[in-house]
Amino acid sequence: AQTVTQSQPEMSVQEAETVTLSCTYDTSESDYYLFWYKQPPSRQMILVIRQEAYKQQNATENRFSVNFQKAAKSFSLKISDSQLGDAAMYFCAYRSFNTGNQFYFGTGTSLTVIP
Amino acid sequence: KAGVTQTPRYLIKTRGQQVTLSCSPISGHRSVSWYQQTPGQGLQFLFEYFSETQRNKGNFPGRFSGRQFSNSRSEMNVSTLELGDSALYLCASTTGGQDEQYFGPGTRLTVT
Repeated sequence: AQTVTQSQPEMSVQEAETVTLSCTYDTSESDYYLFWYKQPPSRQMILVIRQEAYKQQNATENRFSVNFQKAAKSFSLKISDSQLGDAAMYFCAYRSFNTGNQFYFGTGTSLTVIP
Repeated sequence: KAGVTQTPRYLIKTRGQQVTLSCSPISGHRSVSWYQQTPGQGLQFLFEYFSETQRNKGNFPGRFSGRQFSNSRSEMNVSTLELGDSALYLCASTTGGQDEQYFGPGTRLTVT
């Protein structure tokens, strides 16, 4: 089974600074999807960014970008110009290309933004 | 479009009881997945339903079951509740194709 590892249970960043959250995964598949989800204190999980494994170009969504290293099975999230509203739990997730909608989630990184 | 809705939002049950949670997906979404979220374990996949059929299943005991109706609404049932079942239960929906999941707000279950 696929596993997703987030080795940083907690991170903090100064407002307006940049922070990188780490994620590694284990799979024998060549085609898959990777996601970063954000869960603010209100508890509603929302999608931050998604990456298809067959795409070499790193995904970018406004202040959020990823560093996808397929060979290393690494998928880190960079948040630039951090804002107070970025404070949340961030989950890295893996989804197989072939096995329906079974997502595998990491244990999350709690991000604190310091004013 | 309305988002994914879950009812009830909060539940308190006693050990040994059973509980049913409900999830209404986004209109047009045919796949509903359920997750158990606990502080130590993160999100654990329970099962996925697509067009009224269970398509994927996680490693949970048989006390956890689910079903999906023809309108794609899904229910999850937990029988013989244990203290360890206390968690936030999230459901998520997709069209069933290669897209991301959209999550509901969750049901907070407390077992005493």
